Amino acid sequence: DAGVTQSPTHLIKTRGQQVTLRCSPKSGHDTVSWYQQALGQGPQFIFQYYEEEERQRGNFPDRFSGHQFPNYSSELNVNALLLGDSALYLCASSYGQVRRGELFFGEGSRLTVL
Amino acid sequence: AQKVTQAQTEISVVEKEDVTLDCVYETRDTTYYLFWYKQPPSGELVFLIRRNSFDEQNEISGRYSWNFQKSTSSFNFTITASQVVDSAVYFCALSEKDYGQNFVFGPGTRLSVLP
Repeated sequence: DAGVTQSPTHLIKTRGQQVTLRCSPKSGHDTVSWYQQALGQGPQFIFQYYEEEERQRGNFPDRFSGHQFPNYSSELNVNALLLGDSALYLCASSYGQVRRGELFFGEGSRLTVL
Repeated sequence: AQKVTQAQTEISVVEKEDVTLDCVYETRDTTYYLFWYKQPPSGELVFLIRRNSFDEQNEISGRYSWNFQKSTSSFNFTITASQVVDSAVYFCALSEKDYGQNFVFGPGTRLSVLP
């Protein structure tokens, strides 16, 4: 049973560039969330997708956008990269939106912005 | 406003010692859920436990135990007879209102268990 998979695992970009990160949820899961984890800090919620729509959003600028596909996989796009966007980006999945559900996380995509 | 505080940034113990990780939360909701997650060096967060605000019964699972006290807004986690494999960063998290995956995580506590 495949867990949450993310790609790429590491990438380096320069300021002003754009990046796309990808996530495949755990088998049977239909809800995907994205979190940003800066070095030495706890994860911060970016947004959540369910039924191909953004359902909740954290305190992140519009430079951060996403998409969910019919197969429940998801992409996170960040435009006009800033140095402060350097972080580990974690994808989490669950079945349904209920907050009581535990989240299953991938190993993350580590983005470095130079 | 919702907030999770983990005052211990780093803890080092010797194998077989007991260790308690502290978590204090803030929320205005009467219904909420608290979680503990473990983050090993590989990066993924691993779910350990979930508690809802109506269930203050403490729980023991193997070497792990949890102490939830609403009166002090605390949800502490204890590892008994720690092992080297317990070395990781541990996060306490809070989920409140409606539905969704919007969890508020604390800053984490890095636990090092030395042989």
